[in-house]
Amino acid sequence: GENVEQHPSTLSVQEGDSAVIKCTYSDSASNYFPWYKQELGKRPQLIIDIRSNVGEKKDQRIAVTLNKTAKHFSLHITETQPEDSAVYFCAASRSSARQLTFGSGTQLTVLP
Amino acid sequence: GAGVSQSPSNKVTEKGKDVELRCDPISGHTALYWYRQSLGQGLEFLIYFQGNSAPDKSGLPSDRFSAERTGGSVSTLTIQRTQQEDSAVYLCASSLQGAGETQYFGPGTRLLVL
Repeated sequence: GENVEQHPSTLSVQEGDSAVIKCTYSDSASNYFPWYKQELGKRPQLIIDIRSNVGEKKDQRIAVTLNKTAKHFSLHITETQPEDSAVYFCAASRSSARQLTFGSGTQLTVLP
Repeated sequence: GAGVSQSPSNKVTEKGKDVELRCDPISGHTALYWYRQSLGQGLEFLIYFQGNSAPDKSGLPSDRFSAERTGGSVSTLTIQRTQQEDSAVYLCASSLQGAGETQYFGPGTRLLVL
């Protein structure tokens, strides 16, 4: 089955700096890669996703890049703000799979 | 429209008791998932329902765990003879059709087994 590794487990940045979280996956057939943000005590919410037919996707301050050859994908947050502080989870699945496989999460703290 | 809802939001029970957790998916979503999230940990897949197909139970940790989905909508996760290690947040998610699609999560049920 799929295995997703996520790094780093914790990340602290100064407000206004960029943050990068990286994930690797094992199943070369995986083709869907979402990122979820989970604030303390809240439900995970999708912030961006990418499919294997593109290499990069942007949405305002958030971008995700995908390298299928190397089997890794990354989340980039620019101009970080304190409200970006949360746990971020990457995930991967193939279209025929029945569930997402999640990474272990990254606790991002944006220092004011 | 209404999102995924779960009840109860919190449940405290004694070791050995049975508990039932409920999930109401988004209307029209045919796929429903249960995950478990232990304190400070990631999301552990438990079970998946897709339409009228047999559920994928491959993530259930033991035979004390079971789930059903009635009428293709509401789902109930049952934990029998609860143990302290069952304490976690149980999250339900739904998606429109299933694999490779956005999953929308409910607020979770925080279970504490004393």
